Amino acid sequence: GAVVSQHPSWVICKSGTSVKIECRSLDFQATTMFWYRQFPKQSLMLMATSNEGSKATYEQGVEKDKFLINHASLTLSTLTVTSAHPEDSSFYICSARDQIRLFGYTFGSGTRLTVV
Amino acid sequence: AQTVTQSQPEMSVQEAETVTLSCTYDTSESDYYLFWYKQPPSRQMILVIRQEAYKQQNATENRFSVNFQKAAKSFSLKISDSQLGDAAMYFCAYRSAGDYKLSFGAGTTVTVRA
Repeated sequence: GAVVSQHPSWVICKSGTSVKIECRSLDFQATTMFWYRQFPKQSLMLMATSNEGSKATYEQGVEKDKFLINHASLTLSTLTVTSAHPEDSSFYICSARDQIRLFGYTFGSGTRLTVV
Repeated sequence: AQTVTQSQPEMSVQEAETVTLSCTYDTSESDYYLFWYKQPPSRQMILVIRQEAYKQQNATENRFSVNFQKAAKSFSLKISDSQLGDAAMYFCAYRSAGDYKLSFGAGTTVTVRA
């Protein structure tokens, strides 16, 4: 089945530094990937939609300059949290739309970011 | 934006019994898709079941079935013969036919009692 690998699974960084999270589709081409943020015991909040070869589309209220998204190939999208602060600490999840499998979305295993 | 409402923050069920999770949604569109996702403690999102709005027949996947009431904009999930491995947070999600974005409900935490 479709697999999305998300790396790292957890990361701790110092306030003011940047962190990059990778999301790779391993056995299918993902023209569209989604990035979510999830707080403990809460729902997934869509941050942005990334399309291969074009600029990401951010949801209202998401800072584009803080959460940089790059989707340079059909199998890789990255989310970079720039100048991280403690309030950026959260669980980040990516998902990829598998255009071959109708209605299919495959999720990464998530990244727990802690900013200290 | 579409709104997905899950009114039950927590549900508890005895092993081997049945539990039903409710989900309502708000949309002005006629063509859309509905999903139930499971998020166990590992936090990996797993698709449980999906329903196309144009299909009147309710979707079924083994012990999981839905009751899709299009006019009422209701999409409940029934878990039959509950197992300990069913313990997780369950999210209802909506997707318009013209968009690929998913809108998630707040989630329902299911606890299975042995």
